[in-house]
Amino acid sequence: EAAVTQSPRSKVAVTGGKVTLSCHQTNNHDYMYWYRQDTGHGLRLIHYSYVADSTEKGDIPDGYKASRPSQENFSLILELASLSQTAVYFCASSGLGGYQDTQYFGPGTRLLVL
Amino acid sequence: GQQVQQSPASLVLQEGENAELQCNFSSTATQLQWFYQSPGGSLVSLLSNPSGTKHTGRLTSTTVTKERRSSLHISSSQTTDSGTYLCAIDYTGANTGKLTFGHGTILRVHP
Repeated sequence: EAAVTQSPRSKVAVTGGKVTLSCHQTNNHDYMYWYRQDTGHGLRLIHYSYVADSTEKGDIPDGYKASRPSQENFSLILELASLSQTAVYFCASSGLGGYQDTQYFGPGTRLLVL
Repeated sequence: GQQVQQSPASLVLQEGENAELQCNFSSTATQLQWFYQSPGGSLVSLLSNPSGTKHTGRLTSTTVTKERRSSLHISSSQTTDSGTYLCAIDYTGANTGKLTFGHGTILRVHP
């Protein structure tokens, strides 16, 4: 079974502060993704990566940076957290990113920005 | 932008009844996946079905690509099926795994 872990599981941050969310997978997967989930918007893709040391913008990248230092690790960075970034953040990984490939999700990180 | 429309928004069943969930998408989909989100928030992939019919356990998905729609049929529902069912589409045509999600159907199964 694929294993994707996220840390922290929840966080309270102050407006303007820096937040780093971490994701680790032990599946030997090439593709990794960061999504946010909000009431009214569903799940939306922020950034993704298909190889270490490279990241790509998703559908809503503004206000977020991503870092993929190794195949196993993928971080999401909020340099200047804002109230609108309060959400649940999910990391996912997949083997090929392609046709019929399954994405395996982490448990999510609940972020509250005050 | 590309959209994924799911219906109904919510559905209440008695245990043992069948459920039919719908997903409509706005253009050609190279990948279509159905996900289950538990009441606690965890997400798992149920099946991938960009075209045709697929079965797994009590789940059957039928995707008619030309009509841009997919359905998920849950037979003999159980209380543990309660949660949110999400349809997700890869519109890029480039096998990037970039998924666009619908807002989901909330299913409640009563004993």
